[in-house]
Amino acid sequence: GQNIDQPTEMTATEGAIVQINCTYQTSGFNGLFWYQQHAGEAPTFLSYNVLDGLEEKGRFSSFLSRSKGYSYLLLKELQMKDSASYLCAVLDSNYQLIWGAGTKLIIKP
Amino acid sequence: DADVTQTPRNRITKTGKRIMLECSQTKGHDRMYWYRQDPGLGLRLIYYSFDVKDINKGEISDGYSVSRQAQAKFSLSLESAIPNQTALYFCATSGSRDVQPQHFGDGTRLSIL
Repeated sequence: GQNIDQPTEMTATEGAIVQINCTYQTSGFNGLFWYQQHAGEAPTFLSYNVLDGLEEKGRFSSFLSRSKGYSYLLLKELQMKDSASYLCAVLDSNYQLIWGAGTKLIIKP
Repeated sequence: DADVTQTPRNRITKTGKRIMLECSQTKGHDRMYWYRQDPGLGLRLIYYSFDVKDINKGEISDGYSVSRQAQAKFSLSLESAIPNQTALYFCATSGSRDVQPQHFGDGTRLSIL
């Protein structure tokens, strides 16, 4: 079966750095997406990785290792507004998105 | 105005009632999707449509039906609602290339008593 694993919840301090991991086992791979979702709101697109390596976009970076079935989202200089859930989703061989359950990130002052 | 608009935003109804959730988009996207989201679970795909004449079942289509009335409109129906269909429902759109991010509406919070 297809499976995506993320930690359920993480806590970090304002101004710090946090890494949110995602491991996946899917039938085929056509890329991995990260989305941010504030409570009660719509998910919004953060990043897409299809090649191994690190993609940096401002305070947020996303890393992919296809051989390990692993990705992480790195958030730097954390702000209170970064408190949200972060969703990992993999595009499988049929170009269907398989979603993880999300990681709730709590930022403390 | 929002690019992807869902109506209603909130709905409380009773078991056995027929409910329709509507989605309209101004992004000009061909592909539209309906998901449900439950606490502790990932987004689960109910139905998707790649163009007006194309409708496909997703992971959890039982108890639901859809209609793609136009490129910009995709509605989800619950013919006879049951309590375990209580959830947050999202409509999403994407461009016609296979690798495109999906853009979500603000969601409909549906409670079935």
